[in-house]
Amino acid sequence: NAGVTQTPKFRILKIGQSMTLQCTQDMNHNYMYWYRQDPGMGLKLIYYSVGAGITDKGEVPNGYNVSRSTTEDFPLRLELAAPSQTSVYFCASSYGGQGEKDGYTFGSGTRLTVV
Amino acid sequence: GNSVTQMEGPVTLSEEAFLTINCTYTATGYPSLFWYVQYPGEGLQLLLKATKADDKGSNKGFEATYRKETTSFHLEKGSVQVSDSAVYFCALNSGRRALTFGSGTRLQVQP
Repeated sequence: NAGVTQTPKFRILKIGQSMTLQCTQDMNHNYMYWYRQDPGMGLKLIYYSVGAGITDKGEVPNGYNVSRSTTEDFPLRLELAAPSQTSVYFCASSYGGQGEKDGYTFGSGTRLTVV
Repeated sequence: GNSVTQMEGPVTLSEEAFLTINCTYTATGYPSLFWYVQYPGEGLQLLLKATKADDKGSNKGFEATYRKETTSFHLEKGSVQVSDSAVYFCALNSGRRALTFGSGTRLQVQP
């Protein structure tokens, strides 16, 4: 099984550019999440989804948008990139919302630099 | 709100040394507690978990006991190996929408 696949692995953006971070899972998980990981700050939740067609904001949603048209895919969109969005982005999925049964499955991350 | 506090890193140990990484939490209700590990260049992986007070989670020689009275979930291993070098994250969920993670503790094990 591929698990959670994120693309691209690395990207450099100029201020004001836009891009989409792709995330796909093949485990038929209902719940999907986007986190960002800043140095020394741990992971912060950006957006999450409890199923196709349903998304909701996390702790730090400003500057991002998401969609969930299928169970498998949960892309994260940056419309106007800013230096504050320089971070490592992780997509994760789980069968249930609390991650109690099997925990989360994480992708390998996308390292984004905005210059 | 929920929060997780971990000890600052990096933690540097010699091979076969005893490891403790401290984790304390603040949460409403009765959270489930987790330790995740992140190896270089990879995503986080679930290491162990505990869902109620006094439970002990264990995996790959690592252990952590859910202590409600001290709101702690410290990670321990009796004899670390170079291959244990990674970043370790404590996390909790108390019935809310997603896991809350600590800031992570980097472990460096020297041969």
